[in-house]
Amino acid sequence: GQNIDQPTEMTATEGAIVQINCTYQTSGFNGLFWYQQHAGEAPTFLSYNVLDGLEEKGRFSSFLSRSKGYSYLLLKELQMKDSASYLCAMYGGSQGNLIFGKGTKLSVKP
Amino acid sequence: EPEVTQTPSHQVTQMGQEVILRCVPISNHLYFYWYRQILGQKVEFLVSFYNNEISEKSEIFDDQFSVERPDGSNFTLKIRSTKLEDSAMYFCASSQEGRVAFFGQGTRLTVV
Repeated sequence: GQNIDQPTEMTATEGAIVQINCTYQTSGFNGLFWYQQHAGEAPTFLSYNVLDGLEEKGRFSSFLSRSKGYSYLLLKELQMKDSASYLCAMYGGSQGNLIFGKGTKLSVKP
Repeated sequence: EPEVTQTPSHQVTQMGQEVILRCVPISNHLYFYWYRQILGQKVEFLVSFYNNEISEKSEIFDDQFSVERPDGSNFTLKIRSTKLEDSAMYFCASSQEGRVAFFGQGTRLTVV
């Protein structure tokens, strides 16, 4: 089967760095995604990893280890607007449909 | 920047009624999806659509659901006889290559 685990909630301080972890189990791996979702809004694509290593995009970086079934999203120089849920997702099939984790609700405090 | 658009933003319907949720995917995208998110729960895959046919569907997507691409721009989700448990946010998404999906703002469906 397929399963994704991530922490339910995290709190961090404005200007700091936070790391959100995600572990997954799947029989066939085709990529790991991170999306941001503000309350009541749509998920917004942040990053995609298919190979091991770190992908950097401005203040956001995502890391993947396929052998460990592990990924993390790193957010630097946190801003208040980064308060949101961060969703880890992986492919559920061959046509790009995604299996999402329950999301990690990040609260950034002054 | 191109975006996926969904209408209506909020729909209230009586139990047993049919609803049609509408989506206009990004124009050069080839893969289309519907997801739903019950309040406080995770985003769940419903169905994927490619080359004018359903390519994959989840267990949630039973006989009361159907999708259609009636013309070159719209993509619709029909729920034939709504139930209270169908109340959720429904997201349409599209992808150019079947990899990175971009989501619309969603339709909040409330069944009363």
